[in-house]
Order: sequence, then C-alpha cells, then structure tokens
Amino acid sequence: GAGVSQSPSNKVTEKGKDVELRCDPISGHTALYWYRQSLGQGLEFLIYFQGNSAPDKSGLPSDRFSAERTGGSVSTLTIQRTQQEDSAVYLCASSSSGGSTYNEQFFGPGTRLTVL
Amino acid sequence: AQKVTQAQTEISVVEKEDVTLDCVYETRDTTYYLFWYKQPPSGELVFLIRRNSFDEQNEISGRYSWNFQKSTSSFNFTITASQVVDSAVYFCALSEVGDSSYKLIFGSGTRLLVRP
Repeated sequence: GAGVSQSPSNKVTEKGKDVELRCDPISGHTALYWYRQSLGQGLEFLIYFQGNSAPDKSGLPSDRFSAERTGGSVSTLTIQRTQQEDSAVYLCASSSSGGSTYNEQFFGPGTRLTVL
Repeated sequence: AQKVTQAQTEISVVEKEDVTLDCVYETRDTTYYLFWYKQPPSGELVFLIRRNSFDEQNEISGRYSWNFQKSTSSFNFTITASQVVDSAVYFCALSEVGDSSYKLIFGSGTRLLVRP
C-alpha cells in the first residue's frame, strides 16, 4: 500500500519568504508527527496530531512555525519569514493510533528546505 | 530529562568486520521504548527494531543483533560480517510511555562507512 508522502521533495526559498510543506499520511493513520533533521540540531520533534485532540506543539522552535491537519488527514507545516537556520530536511511520520500503546511510526521521504 | 547519546560520530570498517554502534539513554519513565533506525544515502528512515523497557532479552535478526542493558541504560547494535550496503547513518531513539504523543527522541546518529 501507499506510504507516507511529502511534497515538495525539495524547496529553495529566499530568506523572509513563507513556505508550506505538505504531508499525506498513510490512510487510516490517526497520529501524525513532524520532525526536523538539521546539521546543527540532529533529528528533533516538532509537532504531533492525534485525531481531533489539540496538537502537541512543544517542539516548534518559534512562533514562525505552525501546522494544521485538515479533516484528520493531510497536514501542512508552514514556516513564515524563513531564516537560513530553517534550512533542514522536514520529515513527516504517521502511526495507526496514539493512546496507551505505542504504534510504529512510518516516515515519509522528507522535504529538503534550503533558505538562501 | 530524556536524552539519547550516540557518542560515535563516524565509524569506518572494512567489509566483513563486525561493528558495534553504541547508544546510551536517559529517562525518568519506568516504561519506555527504544529503537534503531537506518538512514541510507537515499535519506528515508528505515525502522530496524523496537524494544520495550520490560524486555531485556537480546535479539538477533540475521547479521544484526541488539544488546539491551537497563543497568547501564544502553541499547547497543552490532552488525556481524558488515557489508558495503550497511553504509548509512544509524539512529537510536527513545519513546516514553508517560508522554502520550510517543514522540521519538533521537540520538545524533552514527555514520557507518563499510569499505570494500
């Protein structure tokens, strides 16, 4: 079956512009995660969505970062007024549920963001 | 606070050598999960193994084996008779049951280069 997909695969933008990154989770997966992989910070958690619950935004690095998940499926990560330190690979993952048990997170291929 | 440490930044071996990747973790939770992921040059994260904190049995899967020791908070990964295709970055990760999001906390990764 189809895995997690992300678009675009690469994005080059100029400092100060806004960007939107998209994630299509595996069909039926209610949990969705965004992570960021950068040279300086390694792989770090950004935000978590579970069904209709309020998202866990504890990993967002600044208020320039926001994310939404429409209809419990597709998610968009928005970075406003991009800075060069935002350059990284943004990874999305989904799992079948959260709750009291762990369910494996399946990762997408990532979006490589370069801020000039 | 939770933390995962992979002290080996880069390891280089000759094909057919055995190699062990170290992982040390910190957590206050009594129930947690530990993981290893592989990130080949293509960039996608590939799940290798998950262990829960109550299961300290070592595990072997083909040329891969894992040694989990709660007494030393370590979860080391050994590749026996390494092959060139094993060249990748390997990440160790932790997920705490007390955190309802089950977000993954990653180590900084170990880059393994297997030379022919």
